[in-house]
Amino acid sequence: QSALTQPASVSGSPGQSITISCTGTSSDVGGYNYVSWYQQHPGKAPKLMIYDVSKRPSGVSNRFSGSKSGNTASLTISGLQAEDEADYHCSSYTSSSTLIFGGGTKVTVL
Amino acid sequence: EVQLVESGGDLVQPGGSLRLSCAASGFTVSSSHMSWVRQAPGKGLEWVSFIYIGGTTYYADSVKGRFTISRDNSKNTLYLQMNSLRAEDTAVYYCARGQVTPGFWGQGTLVTVSS
Repeated sequence: QSALTQPASVSGSPGQSITISCTGTSSDVGGYNYVSWYQQHPGKAPKLMIYDVSKRPSGVSNRFSGSKSGNTASLTISGLQAEDEADYHCSSYTSSSTLIFGGGTKVTVL
Repeated sequence: EVQLVESGGDLVQPGGSLRLSCAASGFTVSSSHMSWVRQAPGKGLEWVSFIYIGGTTYYADSVKGRFTISRDNSKNTLYLQMNSLRAEDTAVYYCARGQVTPGFWGQGTLVTVSS
């Protein structure tokens, strides 16, 4: 099964909003509300930012929000800050009872 | 405090074997779904395996038949037995709590497969 499709990079200026897309199929993103987003700084472990498409774990800033339309999920970061510069990975549960990740998106704060 | 500490990563020759460990604290491994996820150098994340609370296991096609996930409840530790290792298995291996949503991750252990 191929990885979910994410843009390789997205950039924005401080204070702006950016959106990262994550495209799959009806067998994963489109078929389940089990899309998650992870933030990963260099040399660090991934950190859960969004789960079940749009839910935020305790302690995650409300500047991070998630949504889904059809086979594409999206992560929006509002009020972009320097500390948001990192790699972001999406994941989805699949019809094969497995988990699939996207290729990751590098977010650059200009 | 919830903590996951992986160990066992090493340099191994192609065809070799390795067992990774993930020691948990702050929660009980046997009462949680657990996952292994890996990340090749400079690449994205790749799911490897789940073990459900009830013991059911699932594997990515790329490791099926070569890797085995298990747990030792008495040691509160998750394992990944890796056999017939290939160069493409080179990666940082993370254990994580959760399966549909791996919510808490360890810091990872590096496995390098090379002659």
